[in-house]
Amino acid sequence: DSGVTQTPKHLITATGQRVTLRCSPRSGDLSVYWYQQSLDQGLQFLIQYYNGEERAKGNILERFSAQQFPDLHSELNLSSLELGDSALYFCASSGRLPASGNTIYFGEGSWLTVV
Amino acid sequence: GNSVTQMEGPVTLSEEAFLTINCTYTATGYPSLFWYVQYPGEGLQLLLKATKADDKGSNKGFEATYRKETTSFHLEKGSVQVSDSAVYFCALTEYGNKLVFGAGTILRVKS
Repeated sequence: DSGVTQTPKHLITATGQRVTLRCSPRSGDLSVYWYQQSLDQGLQFLIQYYNGEERAKGNILERFSAQQFPDLHSELNLSSLELGDSALYFCASSGRLPASGNTIYFGEGSWLTVV
Repeated sequence: GNSVTQMEGPVTLSEEAFLTINCTYTATGYPSLFWYVQYPGEGLQLLLKATKADDKGSNKGFEATYRKETTSFHLEKGSVQVSDSAVYFCALTEYGNKLVFGAGTILRVKS
């Protein structure tokens, strides 16, 4: 158990819909990361937050947005869903300071299927 | 930008065989290097890491040495088991920022 909690574990929704994925980081971790894993794209970095502020942005579509709340949990919002958005979405967290060498711990992921 | 290249799989071995999964990287500066493992139907687990040149990370019989001169971080295990069947990802990070992953290598171990 990494200590990173993601909900829901599985989600099936229709094209055009909107979903929210939730992540609780490990206790004390201030950095939260979101990754997308798909068969054709591999593991793609989406976005990182540190203590409530956006720190880095990767290949995140404009239809997607995220935020980190004062209690440090994070949500990833996916809207106008397309079939190609079907993937495993990982949340990860890391230690208090973004120093090199910090281990990044992953949750078990949220499986999103768009039909 | 930073990148990681892993050997393509799948790698299929018999139980007790020696394992090597090659990983090379491109980075500016001095990255930290990681191996993560994903067992079927599960999330990513940290397997081992190394934070500076010549460091050796080890865990569960797996080892990898940070080689700056060859920009490599190859994963090795002396005797694999069926339970090691999984997808292995090499990754790097700098300055505590995002992890950059390789494409992953599928390992299948037959009894």
